[in-house]
Amino acid sequence: GAVVSQHPSRVICKSGTSVKIECRSLDFQATTMFWYRQFPKQSLMLMATSNEGSKATYEQGVEKDKFLINHASLTLSTLTVTSAHPEDSSFYICSARPGPLTFGYTFGSGTRLTVV
Amino acid sequence: DQQVKQNSPSLSVQEGRISILNCDYTNSMFDYFLWYKKYPAEGPTFLISISSIKDKNEDGRFTVFLNKSAKHLSLHIVPSQPGDSAVYFCAARSPAGTASKLTFGTGTRLQVTL
Repeated sequence: GAVVSQHPSRVICKSGTSVKIECRSLDFQATTMFWYRQFPKQSLMLMATSNEGSKATYEQGVEKDKFLINHASLTLSTLTVTSAHPEDSSFYICSARPGPLTFGYTFGSGTRLTVV
Repeated sequence: DQQVKQNSPSLSVQEGRISILNCDYTNSMFDYFLWYKKYPAEGPTFLISISSIKDKNEDGRFTVFLNKSAKHLSLHIVPSQPGDSAVYFCAARSPAGTASKLTFGTGTRLQVTL
């Protein structure tokens, strides 16, 4: 089945530093990937839609300069949290749809970011 | 504005019985609805989906019912097993013109007891 690999699974960084999270589709090509954020005991909130070879589409209220998304190839999208602050601590998850006729979006295993 | 809502944050069901998880939505433009199962610190796992033009879809122990007039869907798990204990999210898909993004509900934590 379709697999999305997300790395790292957890990261701790100091305030003011930047952190990069990678999302790879292992056995399929993904022209579109999605980045979500989940706060404790809350829903998954879509942050942005990552489009291969073009700019990401950000949801309302998400700072594009803070959450940099790069989708340089059909199998890799990266999310960089720039100048991280403690309030950026959260669980970040990426997802991709294996094909236009599939409806089971495949999710990565998530990244727990803690900013200290 | 929460377009997809799961009003029950938790549910406890005895093993072997039926689990019914509910979800309500407000946007009549959603064209597909999906259910995901999630364990802590892991990504969601797809369970089952239903098209907005259907009213029922069944896959093994999982059945999803859609009442479009009431903008309500439910996931039935029967018989429930201890391994089903997890958080369940319903999600609604926006039509393809908007990059087919998913809007998630707030989740229901299911506990299946022995």
